[in-house]
Amino acid sequence: SYELTQPPSVSVSPGQTAKISCSGDNLGDKYACWYQQKPGQSPVLVIHQDSKRPSGIPERFSGSNSGNTATLTISGTQGMDEADYYCQAWDSSTVIFGGGTKLTVL
Amino acid sequence: QVQLQESGPGLVKPSETLSLTCTVSGGSISSYYWSWIRQPPGKGLEWIAYISYSGTTNYHPSLKSRVTISLDTSKNHFSLKLRSVTAADTAVYYCARHRGVLGGYFDYWGQGTLITVSS
Repeated sequence: SYELTQPPSVSVSPGQTAKISCSGDNLGDKYACWYQQKPGQSPVLVIHQDSKRPSGIPERFSGSNSGNTATLTISGTQGMDEADYYCQAWDSSTVIFGGGTKLTVL
Repeated sequence: QVQLQESGPGLVKPSETLSLTCTVSGGSISSYYWSWIRQPPGKGLEWIAYISYSGTTNYHPSLKSRVTISLDTSKNHFSLKLRSVTAADTAVYYCARHRGVLGGYFDYWGQGTLITVSS
């Protein structure tokens, strides 16, 4: 079965750039999207179709997807960005989520 | 503004059937695709099943034998039944909307409902 692999945790200093990776076989041939989830809240879509930002999502969130890796980039990271982030893709008409990455803003 | 609201029993006994409903407001259910997703306490997201506005369904391979998803356009809601539950099915269950498959993304989510499986 298809799997998406994320690092369990990423740390970043306020104002710096955070990069969260998501790896899967030929992931670049699929669309990847990203969700942000804060404690006790439902996930929120932050990037879809590899690099598109939904309305209301700050410009500091961006995405890319090539080869075997999709990447979520948060530029000028703020304390409010501390959260769990999940990547998601489709394989054979089923939804696959990555295991999630806890972003800590130190 | 589209809103989704899950409703369910909260507590289910082992071996019984879990029934959940997601009511959609602010938009018609007769468009898009609709999914159930769950999250065990302290763990990641797991997709369970989807149903399209036309009734097409698909299920997570590991749950397929125990799950049924259905749609009621007259009530603007969709439902999930999970049979023979065990403690491993304890989770927050979310309903969500998405735009198709193979590239579709979940743009609206419910607030989630915690389901505990325990005797």
